[in-house]
Amino acid sequence: DAGVTQSPTHLIKTRGQQVTLRCSPISGHKSVSWYQQVLGQGPQFIFQYYEKEERGRGNFPDRFSARQFPNYSSELNVNALLLGDSALYLCASSRGQQETQYFGPGTRLLVL
Amino acid sequence: AQSVTQPDIHITVSEGASLELRCNYSYGATPYLFWYVQSPGQGLQLLLKYFSGDTLVQGIKGFEAEFKRSQSSFNLRKPSVHWSDAAEYFCAVGPSIYNQGGKLIFGQGTELSVKP
Repeated sequence: DAGVTQSPTHLIKTRGQQVTLRCSPISGHKSVSWYQQVLGQGPQFIFQYYEKEERGRGNFPDRFSARQFPNYSSELNVNALLLGDSALYLCASSRGQQETQYFGPGTRLLVL
Repeated sequence: AQSVTQPDIHITVSEGASLELRCNYSYGATPYLFWYVQSPGQGLQLLLKYFSGDTLVQGIKGFEAEFKRSQSSFNLRKPSVHWSDAAEYFCAVGPSIYNQGGKLIFGQGTELSVKP
């Protein structure tokens, strides 16, 4: 079975721009979570979606938003990019909201 | 506040030597506990998990971890390290009655180097 897939793999943006990152979960998984990993640190929780509804949100500004589609794929949007948004953005999927999370390869975002 | 501490930022071991990576957590109740590994430029791969039951859990690639409630620890071990084990290792805690959502809280990570 295919694992979690994310696109694009790399992205370069300038300050003030907007970006959309995409994630496809493992087949049969209904929950998607997003994490931000800044260089040298552990991943930080941004959002969790389950059955197309937001079920958890981390300590991130309103510039960050997400949604989940009927096929359980998900998008993460970040508006008004700042230099500090440069990071590896990881998507994880799980069968249910509180079940084991499996991670994708990530999207590396560089904001100049 | 819920937190995870990995006291060792960087560890170097010789190939064939044993390994123990430390993880301590602060939580209101027994959480779900995980170890993930991340190779450079890659996502996270699940090594093992503890939900309940036997406190010694076996994972992939010959890794094991032991949950010690009295010490709030979940240390990762491997009896003989291979060069391919060089990577960054993350301990994480997951849902409990204090964290109803699916949020994982990660430690800062321990970078493992393996010398020939």
